[in-house]
Amino acid sequence: DAGITQSPRYKITETGRQVTLMCHQTWSHSYMFWYRQDLGHGLRLIYYSAAADITDKGEVPDGYVVSRSKTENFPLTLESATRSQTSVYFCASSERETNEKLFFGSGTQLSVL
Amino acid sequence: KQEVTQIPAALSVPEGENLVLNCSFTDSAIYNLQWFRQDPGKGLTSLLLIQSSQREQTSGRLNASLDKSSGRSTLYIAASQPGDSATYLCAVKSGRNAGNMLTFGGGTRLMVKP
Repeated sequence: DAGITQSPRYKITETGRQVTLMCHQTWSHSYMFWYRQDLGHGLRLIYYSAAADITDKGEVPDGYVVSRSKTENFPLTLESATRSQTSVYFCASSERETNEKLFFGSGTQLSVL
Repeated sequence: KQEVTQIPAALSVPEGENLVLNCSFTDSAIYNLQWFRQDPGKGLTSLLLIQSSQREQTSGRLNASLDKSSGRSTLYIAASQPGDSATYLCAVKSGRNAGNMLTFGGGTRLMVKP
């Protein structure tokens, strides 16, 4: 199916474990983003990527790692999960910098116990 | 630092009413403003994107206006329907580059009663 897909939909893990959230888009959009959504904080940007092999930090990057070896994939890794990383994670993409309509995935609900 | 506020946080209206959702931002030097819809357990869907040089955008029953000087945007929904029930978020972008992050408001949770 065309669009932007995230997996898994739900994930429960324990503190200290490494977790990778997947994001795949079929539009060949250049720009991809990872956001987290928390009550009281709204949506906050974690990392973004302008193209394959180009990534940069957003507002709350600590504790996260990203990579973008292929245009269509933008995985987010929590190297050592903490309870404060319990959140809903959204991946998004946009075609180009000047056309900034964002397309969002359905999200991954992550619980760190 | 840009701050975006949406009031009210929640709104309940009967079907058929015209309604206005408000969004205010503290720094008027924005590049664009975007309105999104979020259904429970789902991602965000972009509804309207207004560039800083524009005053309004329309899509179907939706009309979004932008007044940069006063730091305000409104989303007007005409003839509301139960299917419009969702959370509506506005987000402002403070610069042209991808690194200029979107700042989101907290959202208005709308319920349209049949």
